[in-house]
Amino acid sequence: QKEVEQNSGPLSVPEGAIASLNCTYSDRGSQSFFWYRQYSGKSPELIMSIYSNGDKEDGRFTAQLNKASQYVSLLIRDSQPSDSATYLCAVTRGDSSYKLIFGSGTRLLVRP
Amino acid sequence: DGGITQSPKYLFRKEGQNVTLSCEQNLNHDAMYWYRQDPGQGLRLIYYSQIVNDFQKGDIAEGYSVSREKKESFPLTVTSAQKNPTAFYLCASSMNRGTEAFFGQGTRLTVV
Repeated sequence: QKEVEQNSGPLSVPEGAIASLNCTYSDRGSQSFFWYRQYSGKSPELIMSIYSNGDKEDGRFTAQLNKASQYVSLLIRDSQPSDSATYLCAVTRGDSSYKLIFGSGTRLLVRP
Repeated sequence: DGGITQSPKYLFRKEGQNVTLSCEQNLNHDAMYWYRQDPGQGLRLIYYSQIVNDFQKGDIAEGYSVSREKKESFPLTVTSAQKNPTAFYLCASSMNRGTEAFFGQGTRLTVV
């Protein structure tokens, strides 16, 4: 079992729709959770961080964390073609190492 | 202008050669990381450092070496022992362990 799992996609949504991206993790002690966006050939850029259960909103983005279910998600409202990218979920391991572990990413395609 | 600088952007290596990838940050971050990304894949952790003069192996450290003599610098050496070094190498830093990590622009290494 991978430490951080994501559906590779592609997830295809029409412009203006809500895109929902999901991530599960195996380490129950994990404390820090991040979503990154990566365009083809570029380095990842941080979109959202979330540290406690519940929702966190920033503009069109909402991160949701459920530690009991070991599940973190990212919602993108009013999706735009410029949102088309690979979205990486990252989790900090819960032991003293604090390793930052990434999932393999979900490719999102927003159709005009 | 604060940030993380990786150099060079592109690097070509002959088989059997060691090469060193540079990573410098002026964000006053304590933690630094090296990741490898293969086409269509997520990020895999090579090495990480939480403080100066200390570093730990990640999940794929074989064939790589690092040093952390200064807070600002975390160079990665890809040795001849690394059998498949062709990849996109990403350096990141964070204020301290468990907090948001930010990436440099990456170095694309090709073995010729």
